[in-house]
Amino acid sequence: ETGVTQSPTHLIKTRGQQVTLRCSSQSGHNTVSWYQQALGQGPQFIFQYYREEENGRGNFPPRFSGLQFPNYSSELNVNALELDDSALYLCASSHRTQAGTDTQYFGPGTRLTVL
Amino acid sequence: AQSVTQLDSQVPVFEEAPVELRCNYSSSVSVYLFWYVQYPNQGLQLLLKYLSGSTLVKGINGFEAEFNKSQTSFHLRKPSVHISDTAEYFCAVSPSSDKLIFGTGTRLQVFP
Repeated sequence: ETGVTQSPTHLIKTRGQQVTLRCSSQSGHNTVSWYQQALGQGPQFIFQYYREEENGRGNFPPRFSGLQFPNYSSELNVNALELDDSALYLCASSHRTQAGTDTQYFGPGTRLTVL
Repeated sequence: AQSVTQLDSQVPVFEEAPVELRCNYSSSVSVYLFWYVQYPNQGLQLLLKYLSGSTLVKGINGFEAEFNKSQTSFHLRKPSVHISDTAEYFCAVSPSSDKLIFGTGTRLQVFP
């Protein structure tokens, strides 16, 4: 069974640039959630994707957007990067049924630094 | 709205001593409760979860937690810690196991 993978591991961008982060979900999972973890803080929910549609969003501006593909992998896109976007971005996959969503399993994260 | 408070930002302890990491939550609805561990430069690993049933939950690596509805707590315990338990521990709640709401974390430092 393949776990959750994320790419790239590290990324350095400058203010105003755009970035795309990628996540491959664990085998058998159909739901992907994205979290932002600033230094010294707990992860903050950005949004969740299920069946290629956004299924819930946290308190993040529209310049944070995402996609989910038919194979359940996902992308997180951030436009007009700001210094405060520097953080560890975590992807979590889970399996959703009519009864609800099972436990979320996390990838290793992408460390984004905005200069 | 739900929220999580981890009362201790850091917990220093000697190897083989017992430890308790405290977590309190606030919610007007029933929630699921989780503990995750994060080792340096890594993602989050699930330690244990409470969805329903027995209030004492056993997890991996010898950890356990007890759900106390009246005190809205979900404290994590281990009877004897190892150096390898040094890590950041996060308590989280979820109304439906969808969106996870995390606390600010507790840094467990185990000394020899």
